[in-house]
Amino acid sequence: SQQGEEDPQALSIQEGENATMNCSYKTSINNLQWYRQNSGRGLVHLILIRSNEREKHSGRLRVTLDTSKKSSSLLITASRAADTASYFCATDGGLGGYNKLIFGAGTRLAVHP
Amino acid sequence: GAVVSQHPSRVICKSGTSVKIECRSLDFQATTMFWYRQFPKKSLMLMATSNEGSKATYEQGVEKDKFLINHASLTLSTLTVTSAHPEDSSFYICSARTSGGPQHFGDGTRLSIL
Repeated sequence: SQQGEEDPQALSIQEGENATMNCSYKTSINNLQWYRQNSGRGLVHLILIRSNEREKHSGRLRVTLDTSKKSSSLLITASRAADTASYFCATDGGLGGYNKLIFGAGTRLAVHP
Repeated sequence: GAVVSQHPSRVICKSGTSVKIECRSLDFQATTMFWYRQFPKKSLMLMATSNEGSKATYEQGVEKDKFLINHASLTLSTLTVTSAHPEDSSFYICSARTSGGPQHFGDGTRLSIL
């Protein structure tokens, strides 16, 4: 399969709670990226973590990467209703630079007011 | 910066029609553009990679005669769905990047074939 696995497939939480999404992949990577997609729209790049990094923060986002387990997690803290969207991880396995992305199956996050 | 414009955003047409979708990089030169297809509540599946001035590289299982890709300039790539049928209905998304840069995505085109 071209795609990695993400879990959960769907997540429903209340505003203010934290949301954690996980992603596993199969091959060696150059970097791993997380994207957000609002319904019927394109993808918005959230954060990129390189294979030699273990953790990265951006605002309310925290991404971890465990290359030994071939997994990554995205944590959204203090969630808001506006965070409702689908979240995808994508791996870039090219030798340096940016190359073809392989997307995970995605997690549909619903944040209720 | 790094804006990618995709047009049209939505198209509805009759079976047998050919449909062209445009992908433009508005403020940068895109050496490579990618075309993806997305089914409802599913992930993005890469269809093909196109480099400016050369033939597109199609992923396994994607019919190149069905999905014609042209990348004639550093700011424009087009995807033409030839003789479209209902099973071609889907959400098509393009992305563009410069050499050594990340991908920037368009807003997608929802294609509905009646």
